[in-house]
Amino acid sequence: EAGVTQFPSHSVIEKGQTVTLRCDPISGHDNLYWYRRVMGKEIKFLLHFVKESKQDESGMPNNRFLAERTGGTYSTLKVQPAELEDSGVYFCASSQDLSVWETQYFGPGTRLLVL
Amino acid sequence: DQQVKQNSPSLSVQEGRISILNCDYTNSMFDYFLWYKKYPAEGPTFLISISSIKDKNEDGRFTVFLNKSAKHLSLHIVPSQPGDSAVYFCAASMNSGGYQKVTFGTGTKLQVIP
Repeated sequence: EAGVTQFPSHSVIEKGQTVTLRCDPISGHDNLYWYRRVMGKEIKFLLHFVKESKQDESGMPNNRFLAERTGGTYSTLKVQPAELEDSGVYFCASSQDLSVWETQYFGPGTRLLVL
Repeated sequence: DQQVKQNSPSLSVQEGRISILNCDYTNSMFDYFLWYKKYPAEGPTFLISISSIKDKNEDGRFTVFLNKSAKHLSLHIVPSQPGDSAVYFCAASMNSGGYQKVTFGTGTKLQVIP
């Protein structure tokens, strides 16, 4: 069974540009999460999809970030325009059922550097 | 406001000895506590968990202890092996709108010296 995949693995862009990150969850997982880790800090929750619906987007930093999950399969996270403080590692995770606590399976992350 | 804290950014331990990683939390609504392990250039992988109604959970070389009154948990690795060298994240989960929401700490980098 394929794990959670993320693309690209690295992205270097200039301030003001746009970047789109993609996440493909484990097949059959309805729950999809986006997290971000800034150097040396905690892994911070951004948002949670249940199928194609945003269940919780309380962690999204501001309206420069837009997440979508069309058809309840893969998800994209767009940053437009990117700022220096957006640099970090963006992780995607998925799980099957969240009515009780269940393991979240993480992708390898996308390392974003904004210059 | 950080609800899950790992105050030791790094830890070095000799192979064969015990590694003890600590974690403190502030929110008494957390009902599950988790440890994730992360190797460089990989995503975190689940290691072990404990429910808030228990005080100990053991899985092979890994044991997690929970002290609810102190809002403290720890991960013990015995014996430590070089392959255990990684960043360990403490995390806590609570019900939010019918779903579990996970809050992570900053991580502790463990180095096991052969």
